Amino acid sequence: QQQVKQSPQSLIVQKGGIPIINCAYENTAFDYFPWYQQFPGKGPALLIAIRPDVSEKKEGRFTISFNKSAKQFSLHIMDSQPGDSATYFCAARDPGSTLGRLYFGRGTQLTVWP
Amino acid sequence: DTGVSQNPRHKITKRGQNVTFRCDPISEHNRLYWYRQTLGQGPEFLTYFQNEAQLEKSRLLSDRFSAERPKGSFSTLEIQRTEQGDSAMYLCASSLSRNQPQHFGDGTRLSIL
Repeated sequence: QQQVKQSPQSLIVQKGGIPIINCAYENTAFDYFPWYQQFPGKGPALLIAIRPDVSEKKEGRFTISFNKSAKQFSLHIMDSQPGDSATYFCAARDPGSTLGRLYFGRGTQLTVWP
Repeated sequence: DTGVSQNPRHKITKRGQNVTFRCDPISEHNRLYWYRQTLGQGPEFLTYFQNEAQLEKSRLLSDRFSAERPKGSFSTLEIQRTEQGDSAMYLCASSLSRNQPQHFGDGTRLSIL
């Protein structure tokens, strides 16, 4: 059972466009929602994260929008650049475990055309 | 750069052989995680160490898999009698505490012939 559902699977935008990646979850106990960026041959790198008591968080060109009632959150990339072409993963943390277990979505492969 | 380091980066082996991967976490991080990532999927949790103690294991970690973290520093993940289905990227992550971000290494890509 997929704890975090991510869409779309792939996304193609022109340079300067605003790609939006969506994630949904069921477990209302999740307490932390990070986004990771992964380039080919590299490990995931933390991009931005949000907690459920905040509806929006911005860091540079990256924004997370969080809708607690709908159990959905999304990543927006402003003024996208070819260098943003990568796979993006959303995740959610289970507060019930001592390890802070993360559940990942299946990823979105973003391509930004110049 | 003193990030998470994993070796080897790639491993090709024949089915039935044993393989061992190494992870060196960020030096002050006492929490260490192993994940598996297959094509088109996000990382899936395998096991977790706090210092030298292995505190949690996923159902994905069959009895052919064993992980250690002697002295709470580096960790090794061994797969015995490898199978085709073991082909994947094995990722290691570390964190300072439960509420701090997990930082990933670049993984070891395992290919089973």
